This record gives sequence, structure tokens and C-alpha cells, in this order.
Amino acid sequence: DTEVTQTPKHLVMGMTNKKSLKCEQHMGHRAMYWYKQKAKKPPELMFVYSYEKLSINESVPSRFSPECPNSSLLNLHLHALQPEDSALYLCASSLYTSGAPGPSTDTQYFGPGTRLTVL
Amino acid sequence: QKEVEQNSGPLSVPEGAIASLNCTYSDRGSQSFFWYRQYSGKSPELIMFIYSNGDKEDGRFTAQLNKASQYVSLLIRDSQPSDSATYLCAVRDGNEKLTFGTGTRLTIIP
Repeated sequence: DTEVTQTPKHLVMGMTNKKSLKCEQHMGHRAMYWYKQKAKKPPELMFVYSYEKLSINESVPSRFSPECPNSSLLNLHLHALQPEDSALYLCASSLYTSGAPGPSTDTQYFGPGTRLTVL
Repeated sequence: QKEVEQNSGPLSVPEGAIASLNCTYSDRGSQSFFWYRQYSGKSPELIMFIYSNGDKEDGRFTAQLNKASQYVSLLIRDSQPSDSATYLCAVRDGNEKLTFGTGTRLTIIP
């Protein structure tokens, strides 16, 4: 089973709202990722959690706040977003992030994404 | 700046023919290579991964890796209309990051 789930599927929010995106996996993966994808562009890495600790923040604005409550769950808290933040937000997971790469360790599996619209 | 380059297409291939997708990368230290398929409005779906030089086959898909030339390709045999999608090449280097190419849009013509 290589399933990563994300909720909600769609989200419309105003610039003053606070909302959260949720991601879950039950594959025993210890690395989880948030990506942002704009139309006709590749996914852009935002954050990486490794063993529930934030290991990479790609200089993402503070209006995006990630959280990893446990090894299966990843949240992205949103506050005071701008219309240009409208995008597809993707969660991914892999078994590990570090060490020798191999098919069982660094392959990333993506969830279905949350389509976010900021009005 | 680590780069992964793909021809953006669109690449049009008749149904039943072989589709050939190419990708080059700049970081010689890259170790893992992935092909993802992405339908419009959907998330990327893993098609294949390859780690060693040479060919790797999985059904109608064959990935080819040439580390000396810093080149990875994906061949799709007996192309079907359902193969029409954007194909993303992704490369992992020595750290935790995956660098994606801009993707090649493939259209299979019935």
C-alpha cells in the first residue's frame, strides 16, 4: 500500500482566514514533505520533516506553518494568505531521507493534493 | 544551482508507437532518478525509479540511465491514449531534496 491521503480536496479561503491542510500516511514512512505546485510548473519543495523534526524549510513565508504531530501525520497551517498562494498543495512521504539512496528508502509517494484558492 | 532539464513539448505520438522522453541533469553527485506521470489537475504518480546505469523495464515502460552523460530517459511502448499526461523527471542528490524537471507534455493521438 503506497497511499498518502490529504484533506480537504478543495479549500477556498479569504486573506484573513486561518485554515489547515492535513496529510496522513500509514506506510511507516519517517520522512514527509510539503510541496506547492502552480499550473504548468513542477512541484516546489516547501518543507521536509525527518523523524518528526523539521529538517528543511525552503525559505517559505511565515504565513505557512508546518506541524508534524506524529510520524503518520503532517499539517500545514495557513494564515493571512495572499491570492498568489493559490495553488495545488501536495504532501509526499518516503521511508527515509538520509543514508544511502535506494528503492526502499528515498522514493517519494504523493497524496492527491489540496486545491487551494485564496480570494 | 542544480538543474534538471526536459523538453517541455508537447510531444505528439501516434497510438501504438513508442514515446521517448528525455531528461538531463547537472549534478554529477545525483544518485536516484524517478519518473512521475501527472494528469491535468491531479498529483504526480510514480512510474519508475532507476539507480544504476543501464535499462530497467516495467511492463510497457523502460527507464534508461547513463550517469557518464548525465542523462535519463523513459520509453513508453505501445502508447495508449491513457498515457497522455505530463511526465516529470526527478533527481535526488546527496541530500534530502528531489529536484524536478519542468515536465514533458505527452499527447497520444488515436
